[in-house]
Amino acid sequence: NAGVTQTPKFQVLKTGQSMTLQCAQDMNHEYMSWYRQDPGMGLRLIHYSVGAGITDQGEVPNGYNVSRSTTEDFPLRLLSAAPSQTSVYFCASSYLGGGNEQFFGPGTRLTVL
Amino acid sequence: GNSVTQMEGPVTLSEEAFLTINCTYTATGYPSLFWYVQYPGEGLQLLLKATKADDKGSNKGFEATYRKETTSFHLEKGSVQVSDSAVYFCALTAPGETSGSRLTFGEGTQLTVNP
Repeated sequence: NAGVTQTPKFQVLKTGQSMTLQCAQDMNHEYMSWYRQDPGMGLRLIHYSVGAGITDQGEVPNGYNVSRSTTEDFPLRLLSAAPSQTSVYFCASSYLGGGNEQFFGPGTRLTVL
Repeated sequence: GNSVTQMEGPVTLSEEAFLTINCTYTATGYPSLFWYVQYPGEGLQLLLKATKADDKGSNKGFEATYRKETTSFHLEKGSVQVSDSAVYFCALTAPGETSGSRLTFGEGTQLTVNP
């Protein structure tokens, strides 16, 4: 199993550009989510999905869009990048249910100039 | 809403010292509690968990006990090693959410262990 994979590892954007961060998992997990990690703030939930065709907003959804057309893939789209979106982004997946371990990808480090 | 508070860092210890990282939480009902660890340049991985009151999670010499009366889940290790240097996150999932899988994280505690 590859687990949770994310691409790219690093990305530099200019303000106003758009891009898609890719996330895929091969564990047949129903639940997938995107977090951003900023110094001193832990991880904050951006969007999540409980299955194909179902997505919902997390704590900090503004400026981001998601879709879930398959169980495996959960891309995160930045519509018009802003410097405040400079961060490290992590994708995670798990089986549904509160006590289950979430598996994290290696992260994407995004810089917006 | 749900929240997790961790002791402020960073924490610097010498090898073989005793480690405690405090974690307290606020949540409705009976949450599941987790400690995740992030080694430099990597994603997070589960260190241990407890899903009901008085449960003790343990892994790699680390332990934490789910204390409902003090709403705490403090992480301990009796003798730390240089390889334990990492960022540690306390987290919870709470029942009653639209998705029981939604994790709420503390701010993270940076641990550095010197030889």
